[in-house]
Amino acid sequence: GAVVSQHPSRVICKSGTSVKIECRSLDFQATTMFWYRQFPKQSLMLMATSNEGSKATYEQGVEKDKFLINHASLTLSTLTVTSAHPEDSSFYICSARDHPEAFFGQGTRLTVV
Amino acid sequence: AQTVTQSQPEMSVQEAETVTLSCTYDTSESDYYLFWYKQPPSRQMILVIRQEAYKQQNATENRFSVNFQKAAKSFSLKISDSQLGDAAMYFCAYRSYFGNEKLTFGTGTRLTIIP
Repeated sequence: GAVVSQHPSRVICKSGTSVKIECRSLDFQATTMFWYRQFPKQSLMLMATSNEGSKATYEQGVEKDKFLINHASLTLSTLTVTSAHPEDSSFYICSARDHPEAFFGQGTRLTVV
Repeated sequence: AQTVTQSQPEMSVQEAETVTLSCTYDTSESDYYLFWYKQPPSRQMILVIRQEAYKQQNATENRFSVNFQKAAKSFSLKISDSQLGDAAMYFCAYRSYFGNEKLTFGTGTRLTIIP
């Protein structure tokens, strides 16, 4: 199957700082990528849909100013958690569609201290 | 809006035996995809199997097969000859055939393999 690479896999940051997470489709072009958040022992919660060359579409309740998404090319989408707080600590996963299937990155465990 | 329900939070099976994980969904659409994803302890989401709603034949991938009942909106996963490496969280997911391409996930079933 297609390969999606997510980086970093783990990051620890101080409260108030910003963290950028990258999601790359390595062997296919992805006009649309998705960002999810997963709490312990729970399912994946869609945060936003990232569209190449246009603004992201955020799910209800997700703060677009806190979770900045940029999809600058057909192979790269980034999620920036701005002014991070401990409650933002979570597991973040990206996915990209290679029709008709969706492939996932390895995930990023974010810890805000 | 579509919903996906997995009514079994946890399941266990003896190694080499067969287990079936349940999934039901609700939709008003006639064309869509259904998926089963596996999330092992590494937390990497892995596609197990895919079913197109317009296909009557149930999908099969080696030891994994589905029982797709479109009228009943049921999509169960059968794992035959269970192996230790099958231990994971299993998520059922729905995606519309047209338009919005996001996946709607169920709450997951944690599968334990007993040696």
